[in-house]
Amino acid sequence: GAVVSQHPSRVICKSGTSVKIECRSLDFQATTMFWYRQFPKQSLMLMATSNEGSKATYEQGVEKDKFLINHASLTLSTLTVTSAHPEDSSFYICSARPRTSGTTYEQYFGPGTRLTVT
Amino acid sequence: AQKVTQAQTEISVVEKEDVTLDCVYETRDTTYYLFWYKQPPSGELVFLIRRNSFDEQNEISGRYSWNFQKSTSSFNFTITASQVVDSAVYFCALSVIGNTDKLIFGTGTRLQVFP
Repeated sequence: GAVVSQHPSRVICKSGTSVKIECRSLDFQATTMFWYRQFPKQSLMLMATSNEGSKATYEQGVEKDKFLINHASLTLSTLTVTSAHPEDSSFYICSARPRTSGTTYEQYFGPGTRLTVT
Repeated sequence: AQKVTQAQTEISVVEKEDVTLDCVYETRDTTYYLFWYKQPPSGELVFLIRRNSFDEQNEISGRYSWNFQKSTSSFNFTITASQVVDSAVYFCALSVIGNTDKLIFGTGTRLQVFP
């Protein structure tokens, strides 16, 4: 149980286009989903926290107009990178917190999406 | 502010050696969780352990063991008799309870196990 999927796993796009990445909790409902970015050989940096039905909370320095997050249902959150540029090329990872996790603060991670902007 | 430090950027060992990955954390909060994750070359994070700040008991799971010491704010991870399949990047992370539940990751330690 507790499987999180991401789609696509890899995407290559041209500079200036927009890319949407989906994060789905397959066998549980997630009240909260998190989006991380990881540059090569670096750590994971939290970009934003999204709660179902409300606006995402972005970390300092993350442009909310560039990285649009939608958490439309308890099993799906999307990250749209708008007007992508080569510097947005990175590994994007989502995680989901089950609705039933209570105070254990469990998070389950997706397999990641590698974005390359040419 | 919370912070996680993994001073070892890269470690290389030969198979069957024991290896310890260090993790030092900073937080003023008394209630928190500590985690270790493994990230193999495929990129997917693999959960290894979660430890509550109130539970200082060491834990052993097969070849893996963890040493949690609040006095030194450390949560070190030891792999006994390392294997080539242990080669990966290992991340230590901190989550402060009551402060949303976001994870603060260390910079990771790349472990290479040679045959």
